[in-house]
Formats: sequence, structure tokens, C-alpha cells
Amino acid sequence: SQQGEEDPQALSIQEGENATMNCSYKTSINNLQWYRQNSGRGLVHLILIRSNEREKHSGRLRVTLDTSKKSSSLLITASRAADTASYFCATDVRGGADGLTFGKGTHLIIQP
Amino acid sequence: GAGVSQSPSNKVTEKGKDVELRCDPISGHTALYWYRQSLGQGLEFLIYFQGNSAPDKSGLPSDRFSAERTGESVSTLTIQRTQQEDSAVYLCASSLRGALGENYNEQFFGPGTRLTVL
Repeated sequence: SQQGEEDPQALSIQEGENATMNCSYKTSINNLQWYRQNSGRGLVHLILIRSNEREKHSGRLRVTLDTSKKSSSLLITASRAADTASYFCATDVRGGADGLTFGKGTHLIIQP
Repeated sequence: GAGVSQSPSNKVTEKGKDVELRCDPISGHTALYWYRQSLGQGLEFLIYFQGNSAPDKSGLPSDRFSAERTGESVSTLTIQRTQQEDSAVYLCASSLRGALGENYNEQFFGPGTRLTVL
């Protein structure tokens, strides 16, 4: 089964609204990362949160991590049409030795 | 600076042929990763290189898949006797491993190679 599983699978909101995506995982992790993918190609790294961190901000992005619940959330505030993409969480279990384990992603659509 | 590059960007081949996919990581990145993404799916980890060494090849889908890396730079992923189920986007990523005890592993991805096996 997937280590990282995002929900919802798809999300459609109006421009300007906030978008929240969740991720759950199963095993202990070194860190958790969120990536964005446009049009099924290039992934762009958004933010990395370490296992000893609880919250992290980067511009309009806010990521939380709850290791007791093995879950993370990604909040995009004041969404824009350009935020339309697929968002993946990825867990890093051994600091890179096994690669990252990705979920199937949340497809976010921002309606203008 | 230059990011991760991959070639070719698209490859169409006939079932049974061999293909070779190339990845040029970011200069100075010691870690290199290959992933596969099938239509509508997340990414499946294939193999990881630290320098020129791949400690664990168990993520490769079958013995038709092999990978190598030379000079701590370019890596090639070879698929022999391709099958239709090999059709996917193959993504390469590189990362800068930190000092002892600090593994950043923020991965920078290339644009991928879309492989279609007819």
C-alpha cells in the first residue's frame, strides 16, 4: 500500500479561496515533502518539513506535520489560477537511502 | 544554474526493443534517483545512486531494467526487451546530501522521458 496517501483526490475551488490537502502515511519518517506537478511532467519541490517540526511556512504555503497521527496538511492561501496542478506528498524514511515514497496526489483546480 | 535534464523527452519504441534513457543531474549533487510514473498514478521509486554506487536495486521492476552512473554525473536507465507495461514517464531527480548526520534529500526533478511501447 502507498506510504503517502493524499486526500481529497480532486479539489475544485474558486480563485482567492484557500485550498487544503491532507496526507497520511504509515511508517516513521525522517522528513515529509510536498511537490507540485503540472501537466504530468516536471515535479517542483514546494516545501520540506522535518520529523521534529510541526509547522512550516513558505509564501502562501503552510505545511503542518503531526507525527503522532502520521499525517500532514498543505494549505495554499489566496489561491490563483496558476496553482492548478497535482500536489503530491512524499515521505523520506531513511534520509534518502530509499528514495521518496509518493502518494497518488491531489488534483487541484482553481476556477477563475 | 542548470537543472536536471533528461533525454530524450519522448521515446516511442516497438515491443521487444531496448531503450536507453539518460539523466544529467545538477552539478555537485551526489545523490541521483530514478522514478516511474504511470498514467494517473503517483511516482514509483526505482533506484538510487550515492555517487556511482547503487546500494539497493530491489526497486527495479524486473531484470530487464538496469541502471548505471559514471563519474558521479550522468546516469542511464536501460530497459531491455521492452513491454507495453513499461510505458510510463521516467523521472530522474538529484539531491545534495548534507554533512554527516544531516540528510536534506530535497530532490530536484528533471522533465522526464515519456516512453511509449507499441
